Amino acid sequence: QQQVKQSPQSLIVQKGGISIINCAYENTAFDYFPWYQQFPGKGPALLIAIRPDVSEKKEGRFTISFNKSAKQFSLHIMDSQPGDSATYFCAASVGLNSGYALNFGKGTSLLVTP
Amino acid sequence: EPEVTQTPSHQVTQMGQEVILRCVPISNHLYFYWYRQILGQKVEFLVSFYNNEISEKSEIFDDQFSVERPDGSNFTLKIRSTKLEDSAMYFCASRGQGKGPSGANVLTFGAGSRLTVL
Repeated sequence: QQQVKQSPQSLIVQKGGISIINCAYENTAFDYFPWYQQFPGKGPALLIAIRPDVSEKKEGRFTISFNKSAKQFSLHIMDSQPGDSATYFCAASVGLNSGYALNFGKGTSLLVTP
Repeated sequence: EPEVTQTPSHQVTQMGQEVILRCVPISNHLYFYWYRQILGQKVEFLVSFYNNEISEKSEIFDDQFSVERPDGSNFTLKIRSTKLEDSAMYFCASRGQGKGPSGANVLTFGAGSRLTVL
């Protein structure tokens, strides 16, 4: 059972362009939606996260858009840079005081060309 | 910046052998986790650990797996009799009590231990 579906699997964007990665979830009990960035040879690192009580969150060039009714959320990377080239995972979990099991999407490999 | 440290970075083992993967979580963290990532697939939750006991585990975490916090700094994952399908990158993660920017505690992942079962 795939609780979080992520697309696209890979993405190529020119420097300065906008990268958009989409995720959809099934479990309406999810209440925490982080995005993780992973560089080769490294573990996933938290990039930005959102709770379902807001529809958008922006941190620098990174923005999460959240649509609760559609059970979808997306990551937008503005002014994409070659240093943003990495694998991006969306995730979702239930509860702040639980064992905090994150359900990850399959990941998107982003390549930003110079 | 504090980090989660994992050893070994890569281990090759024969099918049926026991493997222990080690993790040193961030020192003041209280919650510990193991995740795994089979090559080309998503990161999957295995188990969470708090107050010296398992708080949650997935279907993947069967009787072949066990976790232990043998001392005040290490957190280990043991696979008793490895199978070919156990080949994956295993990530340890930890979190503390503090709130992250979204009002939720932040998981910090280690760089992973790659397990290859032959």
